Amino acid sequence: AQKVTQAQTEISVVEKEDVTLDCVYETRDTTYYLFWYKQPPSGELVFLIRRNSFDEQNEISGRYSWNFQKSTSSFNFTITASQVVDSAVYFCALSRFNDYKLSFGAGTTVTVRA
Amino acid sequence: DTAVSQTPKYLVTQMGNDKSIKCEQNLGHDTMYWYKQDSKKFLKIMFSYNNKELIINETVPNRFSPKSPDKAHLNLHINSLELGDSAVYFCASSQGGTGGYETQYFGPGTRLLVL
Repeated sequence: AQKVTQAQTEISVVEKEDVTLDCVYETRDTTYYLFWYKQPPSGELVFLIRRNSFDEQNEISGRYSWNFQKSTSSFNFTITASQVVDSAVYFCALSRFNDYKLSFGAGTTVTVRA
Repeated sequence: DTAVSQTPKYLVTQMGNDKSIKCEQNLGHDTMYWYKQDSKKFLKIMFSYNNKELIINETVPNRFSPKSPDKAHLNLHINSLELGDSAVYFCASSQGGTGGYETQYFGPGTRLLVL
């Protein structure tokens, strides 16, 4: 069975600080997919990134970056120079190769203070 | 040009009532989903349809019945509502065909409060 653990329940930072969100996953599959979603206070779920298990390259998109390490089963997310608009709940999720089900972590609430 | 839409956005009702939530996607996707987000923000899949066929049916009370009249629509009907059904229900869609590889795009959610 798959499991996603986001050990940090809440993180509070001051604007312009960097913040890293941890995601650790468990799966016995060799082919799987990892995702990050953002849920701002307005409530919708916004897709941020998808990574497959064979691609361990780190990814950067603007102020967002992701570090995927299979050796530690982690897929961490860093927000550089955080802004108030980054305040949200961030979810890490995992799916198997031929399974439509997304297994979500419990989420990390990020609060960025001005 | 909303991609995945849900109606209603808010639903307040009494215990024992029957209610429906509607979902529509205009992305041309073949697969649609219902997820439940509880008060602790935990997200769990309930159902999934691919090309109008049920492919995922998690351990959900049979008071919950999904219906997919066509590929673009997936509705959720709930009978005999209970207090514990209070949650946010999200509809999602993905392209369809390859399962876990696909990105799921979510609707805005329906906040259900059972009194």
